[in-house]
Amino acid sequence: ETGVTQSPTHLIKTRGQQVTLRCSSQSGHNTVSWYQQALGQGPQFIFQYYREEENGRGNFPPRFSGLQFPNYSSELNVNALELDDSALYLCASSLVSHYEQYFGPGTRLTVT
Amino acid sequence: QKEVEQDPGPLSVPEGAIVSLNCTYSNSAFQYFMWYRQYSRKGPELLMYTYSSGNKEDGRFTAQVDKSSKYISLFIRDSQPSDSATYLCAMSYDTGNQFYFGTGTSLTVIP
Repeated sequence: ETGVTQSPTHLIKTRGQQVTLRCSSQSGHNTVSWYQQALGQGPQFIFQYYREEENGRGNFPPRFSGLQFPNYSSELNVNALELDDSALYLCASSLVSHYEQYFGPGTRLTVT
Repeated sequence: QKEVEQDPGPLSVPEGAIVSLNCTYSNSAFQYFMWYRQYSRKGPELLMYTYSSGNKEDGRFTAQVDKSSKYISLFIRDSQPSDSATYLCAMSYDTGNQFYFGTGTSLTVIP
């Protein structure tokens, strides 16, 4: 059984640019959630995808968007990057939306 | 008021000590409760998952949920230096799709 994987590990972008982060869910899991974790804070929910449809969204602006593919892998896209977008972006997969979530190692995004 | 409150610490204990980590929450609708361990610059690792009130034990770890007090705890027995990490509590609604996290408690176990 493979765990949750994320790519890239680290990323440096300039304010105003766009970024795409990728996540492969754990084998057998059809639900993927994305979180933003600022330094010294707990993860904040961005959105969740279930069977390729958005299944809930946290308090993030529309420039944060996502996709889920038929193999349940997922992408997080952020447009018009701001300095405050600098954070660790975590992907978590689960069997059902509210069941235990298993996290990937994260992508550390730095916006300069 | 935040949905989930957690003392950020830092907490420093000698090896072998019993550690108690706690979270309080404001919304009585939370039904699922989790504890994660996060090492520096890594993703959170699931330690314990419980539903509703009661206790759950797994090796050196015990999770307690007291829904009447809106209070959850994680106890670590015989703490080891490898337990040094940030511990995050998280919770969700019965049919919810997002987990609400505390800010995390930083723990250091001194050999």
